[in-house]
Amino acid sequence: EDKVVQSPLSLVVHEGDTVTLNCSYEVTNFRSLLWYKQEKKAPTFLFMLTSSGIEKKSGRLSSILDKKELFSILNITATQTGDSAVYLCAVLTDSWGKLQFGAGTQVVVTP
Amino acid sequence: DAGVIQSPRHEVTEMGQEVTLRCKPISGHNSLFWYRQTMMRGLELLIYFNNNVPIDDSGMPEDRFSAKMPNASFSTLKIQPSEPRDSAVYFCASRGDADTQYFGPGTRLTVL
Repeated sequence: EDKVVQSPLSLVVHEGDTVTLNCSYEVTNFRSLLWYKQEKKAPTFLFMLTSSGIEKKSGRLSSILDKKELFSILNITATQTGDSAVYLCAVLTDSWGKLQFGAGTQVVVTP
Repeated sequence: DAGVIQSPRHEVTEMGQEVTLRCKPISGHNSLFWYRQTMMRGLELLIYFNNNVPIDDSGMPEDRFSAKMPNASFSTLKIQPSEPRDSAVYFCASRGDADTQYFGPGTRLTVL
């Protein structure tokens, strides 16, 4: 059975801190790994990672994939209260787009 | 681009009633996905379609759930009869040629 495990489940940080979120996976067929951000509404796309070792970056967010060790990390630097959300990791497991989601990490950034 | 459109946004119904959720995918996207999200189980894939054909419905919890996609711009998820444990947020998502799925705003379903 395909599994995607995220850690930690939740964390609370102060504005300005750096956050590192982890996502490990065990799937039969790996095509790519995606990160989404979910505030009190629908998940919104952040990154898609297909190759190991290539960092994807968008502003203060960055992510990298390790296909040998089967994990990815999402970093958020200089956190702001607007970064408070649930961050979801998902693995694409077939050519039609089937995503296996992890349970998410809830991040709370306090002023 | 209007994004994925779902209706209704909120639905409150009584146990035993039929519920129909609707989704309009992004124009040009050829894959459509229905998800359910609860605190206990997270985001679960229920069923997905490619070019209007159901590919995998193994996530549909039981026979009370059914989904259709009669054309490229419309899909429905029906629950009949509904039960309190069906209360959740139901998301529809669509995907084009790239691997990214774009989610609709969701329908919050409450079954009393």
